[in-house]
Amino acid sequence: AQSVTQLGSHVSVSEGALVLLRCNYSSSVPPYLFWYVQYPNQGLQLLLKYTSAATLVKGINGFEAEFKKSETSFHLTKPSAHMSDAAEYFCAVNGGSQGNLIFGKGTKLSVKP
Amino acid sequence: EPEVTQTPSHQVTQMGQEVILRCVPISNHLYFYWYRQILGQKVEFLVSFYNNEISEKSEIFDDQFSVERPDGSNFTLKIRSTKLEDSAMYFCASSVGFLNEQFFGPGTRLTVL
Repeated sequence: AQSVTQLGSHVSVSEGALVLLRCNYSSSVPPYLFWYVQYPNQGLQLLLKYTSAATLVKGINGFEAEFKKSETSFHLTKPSAHMSDAAEYFCAVNGGSQGNLIFGKGTKLSVKP
Repeated sequence: EPEVTQTPSHQVTQMGQEVILRCVPISNHLYFYWYRQILGQKVEFLVSFYNNEISEKSEIFDDQFSVERPDGSNFTLKIRSTKLEDSAMYFCASSVGFLNEQFFGPGTRLTVL
């Protein structure tokens, strides 16, 4: 069965600092992996996805993630945090045959001025 | 830009009452999903819907739940007899294909008293 673990429910960084949000997955089949962002009072928005092409995936807003099969990881990074990046971030893996997503618990990112 | 819409944004109901949550997916999308997020917990898959029938459902989606696409635009989730533990944020999502990006609505916050 597929699952996702996000390490750290809350991460705080200073503006301009590196953002690193961790995600490890478990999957019995080659996974499709996703990062979604949720701003307050809004729905989930796709940041990026891995679908077995390039292992380094670039997304919107300067975020990228690297798929590492040996470490079963798909960590999200951004070189320089911006105040507007403050939000909750969810890692997800494809679940069943109809594309349902299995989400991690989420990591709330705070950005300090 | 097309978006998924959900109504109402907040619904308060008494335990044992029936509620219907409404969603309007993006018009050319073929796959529809409901997820829920209990406060402080992860986003959980409930059900997927394709070609006018349920294609997959989780163990959460018991006989109290049903989904319907009554016309060409709406996608509804009905909870027949609400329980306190049904209090959660309910998200609707849609996608063109089952491995394509899922677009999420802003959610309906359901409070069962």
